[in-house]
Amino acid sequence: AQKVTQAQTEISVVEKEDVTLDCVYETRDTTYYLFWYKQPPSGELVFLIRRNSFDEQNEISGRYSWNFQKSTSSFNFTITASQVVDSAVYFCALSEPRSYNTDKLIFGTGTRLQVFP
Amino acid sequence: KAGVTQTPRYLIKTRGQQVTLSCSPISGHRSVSWYQQTPGQGLQFLFEYFSETQRNKGNFPGRFSGRQFSNSRSEMNVSTLELGDSALYLCASSSGQGVFENEQFFGPGTRLTVL
Repeated sequence: AQKVTQAQTEISVVEKEDVTLDCVYETRDTTYYLFWYKQPPSGELVFLIRRNSFDEQNEISGRYSWNFQKSTSSFNFTITASQVVDSAVYFCALSEPRSYNTDKLIFGTGTRLQVFP
Repeated sequence: KAGVTQTPRYLIKTRGQQVTLSCSPISGHRSVSWYQQTPGQGLQFLFEYFSETQRNKGNFPGRFSGRQFSNSRSEMNVSTLELGDSALYLCASSSGQGVFENEQFFGPGTRLTVL
């Protein structure tokens, strides 16, 4: 069965610190997508990144970077020089097999990040 | 382009009542998915509709149902409400080709409180 584990329930940092959010997934499929979403207090899930299982290149977008390692089934997310506006709950998610032709995502339990000024 | 809209944003009901939540997807999108988010269970998939047909279903009791209209708008219904149904209900829309082909966008959610 597919599963996403975010072992860090809550992380607190001081502004300008770097922080890494961990995500470990389980799947028997060879083709899948991994996602990260941000959920601010307003509740809406904001899409951050989608990564294909065949693309293990790390990605950087401004202060955000993602490290995908198939060997350890991990897809970790790092925020560099954190800011108060980064405070939110962050979710890692895994897609169903491609053959299912579905939008369904399997979410981890989320990591609450609090950035203090 | 307008985003995914959900109405109402907040709802208070009592046990035993029923409730209907609405989701309007992004214009042109044909797929709507629903998720329930609770502190204890996290984000759980309820069901997915594509072109007025239920394409996928999560592991929820029959009290939870949904439908999709020809304009792609979707509604979900919960009958005989229980305290444990208190949650944030999120709706997501996409073009319908599956996550391998396109991105899905989430709405702001409807926060249901059952007293």
